[in-house]
Amino acid sequence: EAGVTQSPTHLIKTRGQQATLRCSPISGHTSVYWYQQALGLGLQFLLWYDEGEERNRGNFPPRFSGRQFPNYSSELNVNALELEDSALYLCASTRIREGSSYNSPLHFGNGTRLTVT
Amino acid sequence: TQLLEQSPQFLSIQEGENLTVYCNSSSVFSSLQWYRQEPGEGPVLLVTVVTGGEVKKLKRLTFQFGDARKDSSLHITAAQPGDTGLYLCAGTNAGGTSYGKLTFGQGTILTVHP
Repeated sequence: EAGVTQSPTHLIKTRGQQATLRCSPISGHTSVYWYQQALGLGLQFLLWYDEGEERNRGNFPPRFSGRQFPNYSSELNVNALELEDSALYLCASTRIREGSSYNSPLHFGNGTRLTVT
Repeated sequence: TQLLEQSPQFLSIQEGENLTVYCNSSSVFSSLQWYRQEPGEGPVLLVTVVTGGEVKKLKRLTFQFGDARKDSSLHITAAQPGDTGLYLCAGTNAGGTSYGKLTFGQGTILTVHP
């Protein structure tokens, strides 16, 4: 079974530009999560998509947005890049089962390292 | 806002030593997961604990969920250099604004020296 794949692996942008990050979930997984990991430490929740709909978002400004496509792949877009947006962006997928208490484990990709100069 | 505090933030020990990492919150979680992350890779799930007081063992790793489901601990016996990595706890709560969101602690960076 292929794991979660993210592209590109590294992305270098200048302040004010836009960045687009892509994620392909594990086959059969309908939920995609995006997390920001700065300084190699804890993960900050960005967005959750399930069945093509945005279900929840974290405390990030509106210039962080995304979408999920019919094949369940996802894009994260960051507009008007700022220096502090430099981080590792992790995508994770899972399959939410009806009636579950949302304890499904997340399967993470290896991330996109975004550097803003 | 639900927060998870991990301690210690950094841990540097010699091979063969024991260690414990703590994950604490003032909030109740319906479940808690522990992940391990190595450089250049995404986090990988180690265990999920669901029931208050639950203890799970994974070889030399022992995970415990507090009775009130507000805290958890990870104990490693006879640590090995291969245990080196970032250990993350993460809590799930299905209700309110936390719906579907996994809240992560800030992580513990463990270095085991041969």
